[in-house]
Amino acid sequence: DAGVTQSPTHLIKTRGQQVTLRCSPKSGHDTVSWYQQALGQGPQFIFQYYEEEERQRGNFPDRFSGHQFPNYSSELNVNALLLGDSALYLCASSLMLTGRETQYFGPGTRLLVL
Amino acid sequence: AQSVTQLGSHVSVSEGALVLLRCNYSSSVPPYLFWYVQYPNQGLQLLLKYTTGATLVKGINGFEAEFKKSETSFHLTKPSAHMSDAAEYFCAVTPGYSSASKIIFGSGTRLSIRP
Repeated sequence: DAGVTQSPTHLIKTRGQQVTLRCSPKSGHDTVSWYQQALGQGPQFIFQYYEEEERQRGNFPDRFSGHQFPNYSSELNVNALLLGDSALYLCASSLMLTGRETQYFGPGTRLLVL
Repeated sequence: AQSVTQLGSHVSVSEGALVLLRCNYSSSVPPYLFWYVQYPNQGLQLLLKYTTGATLVKGINGFEAEFKKSETSFHLTKPSAHMSDAAEYFCAVTPGYSSASKIIFGSGTRLSIRP
C-alpha cells in the first residue's frame, strides 16, 4: 500500500518563475492538504482540497493555487516566485467523512528560489 | 481559533535519560492533538494522537503524551532516550470535530541526544 507520494523531490527556480508541485494521496484517501515549511519553522497550512474543490485556505496570497483531479491527486501551483517561497512543501492526505482519520504526510518537495 | 506553543526550541538530554518535550495549546473547541517527528531532510511522521477517551496516549518508539485539559497541555515523554530519537518534534492541533481539518503546528523542538 503506497503512502503519500510527492514529485519532484527537489526543485530550483528563479524569481518570477512559476512552479507546479504534485501529490498522490494514500490509497483510499480523498482529501489533500498542502503545507509550507520554511527553514527552522513548523509547517503552515496553505489549503485543502476535497471533491475537487478548495475547502479551506490558510493565510497565503493568490499566487498560491491548486487543483484536485478525479483520482484525488493534487497539484500546487505558485506563480511569480519570490525568494521567500523557498521552503519544503508538504502534502498530507486523509479521509474526510470519518472525521478521525489521521492525516498522512508525504516526504515533501524542497523548493529553492534563486 | 487554535494555536500551539512549544516551550524550548532545543532540548538536549543524555542517552538513557528522560525525554520531556512541552506543548501547550489554545482551542475554542475541544481539540484533537498530535505529536509529529521529522528526521533531517524527511517529511513528518505521526508519533501519537489524542482524539477522545483515555487521556494518556501511547505512540510509536516508546513515546507517550498526556492530555491535560485543565492545564491545556499535551507534553511528550519517553522514559529513556536513544540516540535514534534525535530529530525535530512538532506538537499540533486540529478542531475536535474532524482530524481531516487543517493542522496548526507549533514551531518545533529540536531534540539532541548526548552519548
